[in-house]
Amino acid sequence: GNSVTQMEGPVTLSEEAFLTINCTYTATGYPSLFWYVQYPGEGLQLLLKATKADDKGSNKGFEATYRKETTSFHLEKGSVQVSDSAVYFCALSEGGGGADGLTFGKGTHLIIQP
Amino acid sequence: KAGVTQTPRYLIKTRGQQVTLSCSPISGHRSVSWYQQTPGQGLQFLFEYFSETQRNKGNFPGRFSGRQFSNSRSEMNVSTLELGDSALYLCASTSNSGGPYNEQFFGPGTRLTVL
Repeated sequence: GNSVTQMEGPVTLSEEAFLTINCTYTATGYPSLFWYVQYPGEGLQLLLKATKADDKGSNKGFEATYRKETTSFHLEKGSVQVSDSAVYFCALSEGGGGADGLTFGKGTHLIIQP
Repeated sequence: KAGVTQTPRYLIKTRGQQVTLSCSPISGHRSVSWYQQTPGQGLQFLFEYFSETQRNKGNFPGRFSGRQFSNSRSEMNVSTLELGDSALYLCASTSNSGGPYNEQFFGPGTRLTVL
């Protein structure tokens, strides 16, 4: 079956540091890949997505590139802020339309210190 | 546009009881998915409904069930509650507009505690 593996953390960084959160996946077909973010007490928000190999998703200074050859979708940001503190989930979907559901990684708790 | 709403936000039940959670999707969205989030297992897909029909189901026992109404509102039910059912239950709605990917919009969740 499908699976997503990501570092769980917590990951603690200082403000303005460079961020990388690794994500690798296993899928039978050609999935779409996503990063979701969850702030305390809230539901999940889609941060960025990529629907085919070599696509780069970007939003709010975050980027991730769909690497089919390494089955990876690492999340990066050049300069993090305290407001980026949250839990980040890597996820995949084979169907793309919601019916297949999303397969999530365990989540990475990111803490940014001022 | 109002977002996905879930009620109640918090619930406390005892073992053996049953519980019903409600989700109202974004207006115009016809697909509703449910997920269970626990510290140990993370986020797991429960089931998805579209136009009142369950299209897909995750790997959960039959105690977990759901339904969708003609106005796209959805409910999920858990019978004979177990301690391990304590979790945050998230609902997501999707427009199914026919593009390569239809974004899932998540509600704030219902926090269920089983004592």
